[in-house]
Amino acid sequence: QVQLVESGGGLVKPGGSLRLSCAASGFTFSDYYINWIRQAPGKGLEWVSYISSSGSYTNYADSVKGRFTISRDNAKSSLYLQMNGLRAEDTAVYYCARGLEASANDYWGQGTLVTVSS
Amino acid sequence: DIQMTQSPSSLSASVGDRVTITCRASQGISNYLAWYQQKPGKVPKLLISAASILRSGVPSRFSGSGSGTDFTLTINSLQPEDVATYYCQKYNSAPWTFGQGTKVEIK
Repeated sequence: QVQLVESGGGLVKPGGSLRLSCAASGFTFSDYYINWIRQAPGKGLEWVSYISSSGSYTNYADSVKGRFTISRDNAKSSLYLQMNGLRAEDTAVYYCARGLEASANDYWGQGTLVTVSS
Repeated sequence: DIQMTQSPSSLSASVGDRVTITCRASQGISNYLAWYQQKPGKVPKLLISAASILRSGVPSRFSGSGSGTDFTLTINSLQPEDVATYYCQKYNSAPWTFGQGTKVEIK
């Protein structure tokens, strides 16, 4: 069955870095684009970043542009989000979610919690 | 960037009621509109894509409509298990903006 499993979350001080991973299984990873989507405690959903199925195209929300970098390794069916210069407002559960091009996100991972605090 | 505005932000209805949630895009997005359901403490789940296509396994009491800038999610005959927050999302191009969510409760 389709599985997306995030890891790498944790407690980090402001200005610090974290690298999130998303391990995919149960489908042909290289056929799908992936979004990172986050949800701050008690808040709504916020799209963070996109990477195309080949990895050639990426996009970022203005709130993370220049600080976060999305990448993928199709050979390993894995997705990454390098987060630098973390701020308190980056505190959230981070989800990876897949989709076929021009389609919605049909499967989401369980999420990983990132807490930015001194 | 295109903004997505949902209304209402919350609602309370009785079991069996028909519930309607609206989502308005600040510019036309054709039918690149999805609806997600997030139950308390759970991961969001896709209900509807392409504005009106019900995902396999989603109860038929859920339906979506609209195109361009105005979209609607309807729950016919609200059930206790429908208590959740519902989000719309545009996916025609970046940014993949979500609406602010509509919290549905049982009266």
